[in-house]
Amino acid sequence: EADIYQTPRYLVIGTGKKITLECSQTMGHDKMYWYQQDPGMELHLIHYSYGVNSTEKGDLSSESTVSRIRTEHFPLTLESARPSHTSQYLCASSRGDNQPQHFGDGTRLSIL
Amino acid sequence: RKEVEQDPGPFNVPEGATVAFNCTYSNSASQSFFWYRQDCRKEPKLLMSVYSSGNEDGRFTAQLNRASQYISLLIRDSKLSDSATYLCVVRIQGAQKLVFGQGTRLTINP
Repeated sequence: EADIYQTPRYLVIGTGKKITLECSQTMGHDKMYWYQQDPGMELHLIHYSYGVNSTEKGDLSSESTVSRIRTEHFPLTLESARPSHTSQYLCASSRGDNQPQHFGDGTRLSIL
Repeated sequence: RKEVEQDPGPFNVPEGATVAFNCTYSNSASQSFFWYRQDCRKEPKLLMSVYSSGNEDGRFTAQLNRASQYISLLIRDSKLSDSATYLCVVRIQGAQKLVFGQGTRLTINP
């Protein structure tokens, strides 16, 4: 099993709150990714990082932001949550470009 | 046109049957290929990488056809536990990310 962890697993919170979704990996992977996925729908890449102090926006526009201050940590932040942010957020990491990505368990986010 | 296309299914097959599905990719410079499986409300998990010469892992066989730009997954002697969504994943040369297909939903019936 890959060593990549996401917290919280589930979060139900009111509109307007600031939220940070945590993602950590202990494999020393340089590449990390955030995906958004609605039930029964495909994965959408929203952010990725090549390494420390590197972040890029993905294919799907997102109001969230990310940071990469340490190799092992890639948190995602929503400054003011809205119901449209309700979704599952999946974090992944990989050793290199040609290597497969390993996913965390995901965070199911519900904004009331 | 999507970079990676899969038949979304659903495929419903009886236990013990052989099932195969394809995935097509649009960029001929695609370099790396993978099959993932995703169970309902779970994260995607790597099933197998796909190599140019084709490869097998137990009941699963993956093949790559570069000329026609598709990859395939064959499942023999299907089990109930094979029920899942199968995601085709491609990396394009020079790209820093993988491209995921929309997935093919498979249900194995007793």
